[in-house]
Amino acid sequence: KAGVTQTPRYLIKTRGQQVTLSCSPISGHRSVSWYQQTPGQGLQFLFEYFSETQRNKGNFPGRFSGRQFSNSRSEMNVSTLELGDSALYLCASSLEGVGSRSYNSPLHFGNGTRLTVT
Amino acid sequence: QKEVEQDPGPLSVPEGAIVSLNCTYSNSAFQYFMWYRQYSRKGPELLMYTYSSGNKEDGRFTAQVDKSSKYISLFIRDSQPSDSATYLCATHILTGGGNKLTFGTGTQLKVEL
Repeated sequence: KAGVTQTPRYLIKTRGQQVTLSCSPISGHRSVSWYQQTPGQGLQFLFEYFSETQRNKGNFPGRFSGRQFSNSRSEMNVSTLELGDSALYLCASSLEGVGSRSYNSPLHFGNGTRLTVT
Repeated sequence: QKEVEQDPGPLSVPEGAIVSLNCTYSNSAFQYFMWYRQYSRKGPELLMYTYSSGNKEDGRFTAQVDKSSKYISLFIRDSQPSDSATYLCATHILTGGGNKLTFGTGTQLKVEL
């Protein structure tokens, strides 16, 4: 079974530009989450999508947005890039996400997209 | 103050040693606890997750949760050079729906020959 696939693996952008990152979840997984990883802050939650609806959102500015398609694939967009947006962006998928008493749907991560803003 | 605190290391041990990795958390609402391993240039890989206080064992790995003191641990027995990686603890609240993990900043482990 293929894992979570993120494209591209590396991106270099200039301040002020925008960028779109793509994520294909594990087959059958309906929940897709996005995290930002930096050396100083570690992994921080951006947002989660489930059945094409944003279900959770972290404390990031509105420049960060995302969407999910009917096949569960997801994209994340960052507009007006800033130097501080340089990070590893990780996508994770799970079967359903938590919503019942039994949690048996852990997150599985992709290898990330390394974004460098110059 | 971060909701999940983790010593960043780096931690260097000889091959065969027992490794103890620890996290503390502040929010008593956290109910699920996970350990992820992250190799360089890779995404985090789930090692173990547990819901209740107590121990959970999987091969050379043992996860321990003490909800009364808000303390979670990962023990690695007979450590190998291939265990060299960053280890991340994570916690989760059972809300009405949704996945939102809160991570520690990770402990960098090096197992030396």
